[in-house]
Amino acid sequence: GAGVSQSPSNKVTEKGKDVELRCDPISGHTALYWYRQSLGQGLEFLIYFQGNSAPDKSGLPSDRFSAERTGGSVSTLTIQRTQQEDSAVYLCASSLGKQGTGQETQYFGPGTRLLVL
Amino acid sequence: AQSVTQLDSHVSVSEGTPVLLRCNYSSSYSPSLFWYVQHPNKGLQLLLKYTSAATLVKGINGFEAEFKKSETSFHLTKPSAHMSDAAEYFCVVSDWGSQGNLIFGKGTKLSVKP
Repeated sequence: GAGVSQSPSNKVTEKGKDVELRCDPISGHTALYWYRQSLGQGLEFLIYFQGNSAPDKSGLPSDRFSAERTGGSVSTLTIQRTQQEDSAVYLCASSLGKQGTGQETQYFGPGTRLLVL
Repeated sequence: AQSVTQLDSHVSVSEGTPVLLRCNYSSSYSPSLFWYVQHPNKGLQLLLKYTSAATLVKGINGFEAEFKKSETSFHLTKPSAHMSDAAEYFCVVSDWGSQGNLIFGKGTKLSVKP
């Protein structure tokens, strides 16, 4: 079946511009996560959506980062006024259920490679 | 707070020899632990997971890991390495305190020599 998909696969932008990254989770998965993978920082959690609950934004590095999830499915991660240090691979994951349900295994998309010049 | 330490940033083995990738964790709760693999220019793929059932967990591609609470370890092993195993491997703990987001180790790059 279809896995998690992300678009674009690569994005090059100029410093100061805004970018939008899209994630399509696996159909029926209620939980959606965004992570960032950058050199020297490893993989870090950004934000988590679970059903209709308020998202857990505790990992967002600054107020330039925001995300929304429309209709409990597709999610968009927006980075405003991009900086060079935002260059990284942005990964999206989804899971059938939340922690403690036995359905919390996260399945990852291929990522969006962002380069800020 | 939960954390994960992968003890080796790079491991090199010869094809056909055993693989050992070491991982120690710190958790205030009964943890859920995972190993993910990332091949070059590919997405993260789940190898195996531990969620408080059997302490010896078998995963895909012949990998397995043993949860040892007394040692707070979750080392990944494979009896015989294959060239296709060359990749980066991440030990991961699920952060109960944040409703399940994953905390990743820094990764171990596995090289397999012919």
